[in-house]
Amino acid sequence: ILNVEQSPQSLHVQEGDSTNFTCSFPSSNFYALHWYRWETAKSPEALFVMTLNGDEKKKGRISATLNTKEGYSYLYIKGSQPEDSATYLCAFIDNAGNMLTFGGGTRLMVKP
Amino acid sequence: EAQVTQNPRYLITVTGKKLTVTCSQNMNHEYMSWYRQDPGLGLRQIYYSMNVEVTDKGDVPEGYKVSRKEKRNFPLILESPSPNQTSLYFCASNPGQGIYEQYFGPGTRLTVT
Repeated sequence: ILNVEQSPQSLHVQEGDSTNFTCSFPSSNFYALHWYRWETAKSPEALFVMTLNGDEKKKGRISATLNTKEGYSYLYIKGSQPEDSATYLCAFIDNAGNMLTFGGGTRLMVKP
Repeated sequence: EAQVTQNPRYLITVTGKKLTVTCSQNMNHEYMSWYRQDPGLGLRQIYYSMNVEVTDKGDVPEGYKVSRKEKRNFPLILESPSPNQTSLYFCASNPGQGIYEQYFGPGTRLTVT
């Protein structure tokens, strides 16, 4: 079983704060990294799929970077809003390409 | 509307009584998976299927069976459920593995007493 870790486990911020969290994964045999947003009582929804070292992706106020050589990805949220409150999951795929291994998630709570 | 559906959404059953959770997708996706989500453990893959009649074990396959007789359907079968299979289950599909995002179903909350 591959080791994919996310930190912190949970995070409380005030509305308007910018925040970031980390996903660490094995640096060998990298194929792709996914980020998902999971709101309470809903299903996870994809944010980004990243495949290249140095990749940067952006969707509105949310962006992500990828470093495959050192085995980490950062997710950034600029100017957090209460509706950003969710659990953010990363998932690693090795070069066999068939299985996603999820991290434990970072639970973000944004206070108005 | 493109979607993944699961049924039932909630199920309470007793130890040893066989059950099936259905999963269906209308996006013509080749790849389908089942996950379970437990507090503190994140999402763990149970089984996946790369195409019709092609299935393989994920990280936690013990106690589960799957089948993929049609492209759109990927049922999860618990032949003899036990309390440690009480969990939240998600089905997901995508066009192929790796670089394609997964589309998740709404989840099935299973309680085995």
